Amino acid sequence: KAGVTQTPRYLIKTRGQQVTLSCSPISGHRSVSWYQQTPGQGLQFLFEYFSETQRNKGNFPGRFSGRQFSNSRSEMNVSTLELGDSALYLCASSVTGVGTGELFFGEGSRLTVL
Amino acid sequence: GENVEQHPSTLSVQEGDSAVIKCTYSDSASNYFPWYKQELGKRPQLIIDIRSNVGEKKDQRIAVTLNKTAKHFSLHITETQPEDSAVYFCAASPTDKLIFGTGTRLQVFP
Repeated sequence: KAGVTQTPRYLIKTRGQQVTLSCSPISGHRSVSWYQQTPGQGLQFLFEYFSETQRNKGNFPGRFSGRQFSNSRSEMNVSTLELGDSALYLCASSVTGVGTGELFFGEGSRLTVL
Repeated sequence: GENVEQHPSTLSVQEGDSAVIKCTYSDSASNYFPWYKQELGKRPQLIIDIRSNVGEKKDQRIAVTLNKTAKHFSLHITETQPEDSAVYFCAASPTDKLIFGTGTRLQVFP
């Protein structure tokens, strides 16, 4: 069974630009959640999508948004990039959702904002 | 707001010793507490989890304890080995969210 796949793996943007990250979950997993990982803050929950609906979101500004498609693939978008958005963005998929069982993480998309 | 505090931030032990990592959560609605291990340059992986109706759970050399009254939970690793070296994250889950601690970097010296 293929694991969670994230693209792109690395990207460099400048302040003010926007970025879209993609996550393909494990086949059969309907939940995709997103996390921002930085050295000082650890893993911070962004939001979760389950069957194309956002179930919950963390404490991030509205510049961070996402969506999920009918095949469970998910995208995350960050608009008007700021230097502080530089981070590793991880997505995770699961069968039943965040807070109920094991999350399977992707390798992440490392975003650098200059 | 929802918060998970994790201590210590770094922990160095000699091979064969035990290691303990402690977490405290703020939201009393939390009912699921997983622990993830992240080796350098790799993705986090679940090593053990516990639900709020259980006080302790063991899996070979690792164990987790939960004190709901005090809102504390801890990870215990016995007979540590060099391959246990990694960053460990605790997490607590109120409804449909997962709040992570800031991580503990464990180094096991041969």
